[in-house]
Amino acid sequence: GAVVSQHPSRVICKSGTSVKIECRSLDFQATTMFWYRQFPKKSLMLMATSNEGSKATYEQGVEKDKFLINHASLTLSTLTVTSAHPEDSSFYICSAWDATSSYNEQFFGPGTRLTVL
Amino acid sequence: GQSLEQPSEVTAVEGAIVQINCTYQTSGFYGLSWYQQHDGGAPTFLSYNALDGLEETGRFSSFLSRSDSYGYLLLQELQMKDSASYFCAALYNFNKFYFGSGTKLNVKP
Repeated sequence: GAVVSQHPSRVICKSGTSVKIECRSLDFQATTMFWYRQFPKKSLMLMATSNEGSKATYEQGVEKDKFLINHASLTLSTLTVTSAHPEDSSFYICSAWDATSSYNEQFFGPGTRLTVL
Repeated sequence: GQSLEQPSEVTAVEGAIVQINCTYQTSGFYGLSWYQQHDGGAPTFLSYNALDGLEETGRFSSFLSRSDSYGYLLLQELQMKDSASYFCAALYNFNKFYFGSGTKLNVKP
């Protein structure tokens, strides 16, 4: 399957700072990337859908000014957590979707564990 | 978002067969996927059903009944390494996926 990288894998920051997370599809062009948030022992909560060259579509309850998403190319999407606070601490995972596949498979990055002090 | 329901936890012994059910909301539904996630890792794709019926891939099979808004993942010949969380994920309006609550599978010797 395709490979998706995510960087950084782990970040610890102070409250009030901003953190950028990169998601790259390494061997296929993903027109759509998704950003999820996962709390310990919980499900993946869809935060936003990121389409190359257009504005991200945010899920209800997700603050678009808090979680800035940019999808500048077919292989790169970034999530910036602005003015992070301890409640933003979580596991953030991106996925690249191959909508041309008959399996509609999502290829997930390894995730980024964010800890805000 | 749409909600998908799964049992929270299932326990079985090595070599047994386990079925994990998933019910979903029908509005805008396109297809149902299954993912496996080990602790601390990323989800990995197992299967996808867009049509009614059974899809078999090795020890894992997945079933979908669109009329019942229901699907399941069947794991056969369980191995210790199958201990993980399993998520169903529904594709809606062919533009986004919503994940189920997840089922933690414990495989015992």
